[in-house]
Amino acid sequence: DAKTTQPTSMDCAEGRAANLPCNHSTISGNEYVYWYRQIHSQGPQYIIHGLKNNETNEMASLIITEDRKSSTLILPHATLRDTAVYYCIVRPQGAQKLVFGQGTRLTINP
Amino acid sequence: DAGVIQSPRHEVTEMGQEVTLRCKPISGHNSLFWYRQTMMRGLELLIYFNNNVPIDDSGMPEDRFSAKMPNASFSTLKIQPSEPRDSAVYFCASSYGPGELFFGEGSRLTVL
Repeated sequence: DAKTTQPTSMDCAEGRAANLPCNHSTISGNEYVYWYRQIHSQGPQYIIHGLKNNETNEMASLIITEDRKSSTLILPHATLRDTAVYYCIVRPQGAQKLVFGQGTRLTINP
Repeated sequence: DAGVIQSPRHEVTEMGQEVTLRCKPISGHNSLFWYRQTMMRGLELLIYFNNNVPIDDSGMPEDRFSAKMPNASFSTLKIQPSEPRDSAVYFCASSYGPGELFFGEGSRLTVL
């Protein structure tokens, strides 16, 4: 499975957009990019996933570069409740298991 | 739906004792996963089942760990004998096929 690289930590002001980068330079053509987050003391929670095109849902937007070697998760109006560890994961199409890296610890400041 | 249900939420035991963690997946899901989370090693996949059959147990640390899924609505993770280094939060997750994983609240295990 392709490896991902994320910054260890980031800060963002409440109400601003939080942009979380992820590098996955060895991604294969059939591998999806998934994002999960883990709020303190809770189980991880699915956010969004994509293959090539940009995706948006009620939680976030996912921007994938044309060469698919990197992506950015965007939380458009961050709130204090968005403080969490965010995991970027590359998962082959049809694969069941999900392998987590170390993620980015995002802190939203008032 | 109540989501993935894990029990116990907290367990404190002494070294050498047997520990059994339980998981009830979301109804209709056919895949079940056991993860372990520690500060040092992060979230590690221990084992996963598809249609009640273990598919990949390469993450199980050693023979002291065993997992079963006797039916579609129940799974156990057993540690016997337990050791202090087994202290961690154990998460169960379920999914339908290769879809998104839904995680339980976790079982925090402390082995003294």
